[in-house]
Amino acid sequence: NAGVMQNPRHLVRRRGQEARLRCSPMKGHSHVYWYRQLPEEGLKFMVYLQKENIIDESGMPKERFSAEFPKEGPSILRIQQVVRGDSAAYFCASSPRGTSGSYEQYFGPGTRLTVT
Amino acid sequence: QQQVKQSPQSLIVQKGGISIINCAYENTAFDYFPWYQQFPGKGPALLIAIRPDVSEKKEGRFTISFNKSAKQFSLHIMDSQPGDSATYFCAASLRFGGKLIFGQGTELSVKP
Repeated sequence: NAGVMQNPRHLVRRRGQEARLRCSPMKGHSHVYWYRQLPEEGLKFMVYLQKENIIDESGMPKERFSAEFPKEGPSILRIQQVVRGDSAAYFCASSPRGTSGSYEQYFGPGTRLTVT
Repeated sequence: QQQVKQSPQSLIVQKGGISIINCAYENTAFDYFPWYQQFPGKGPALLIAIRPDVSEKKEGRFTISFNKSAKQFSLHIMDSQPGDSATYFCAASLRFGGKLIFGQGTELSVKP
């Protein structure tokens, strides 16, 4: 069973460009979470999604950030008009919650975004 | 009230010793407490987790001790090995809330 997949693994964007980060959950997992890890800091929750639904976006910045998890295809975290402060590692996690009742979240390898 | 406080920030242990990392929380509604291990450049890997109805859980060399009344939990790594050198994060979540609230992390270095 393949783990959580994220791409690209590394992404370089100039200030003002858009960044699109993709996450494919583990097979059988219908819940996706996005977290951000700034340099020398811990992981901060951003958003929690199920297929076609945003369940909790309490950690998302109010502007420029959006997330979706369509019926088909990967979950996408989109950052518009990136600024240097967006440089960070973005991790996606998936969970089978709602099916087996499990709480575990399994993380992908992350996308390291660098804004120049 | 949503915070999880982790200590120490860094820890150096000799090979074969016991590594102990502590976490404290305020929100008594938290009911799931996992520990993650992260190597440089990698994603966090789930190590072990506990629910508050259990005071201790052991998996191999890793043990979680949970003190509900003190609102504290800790990770013990027995017989620490150089390969255990990594950053460890504790976390907590609400039963139906989903999101994990992470501690600040502990950088563990095990000296040969």
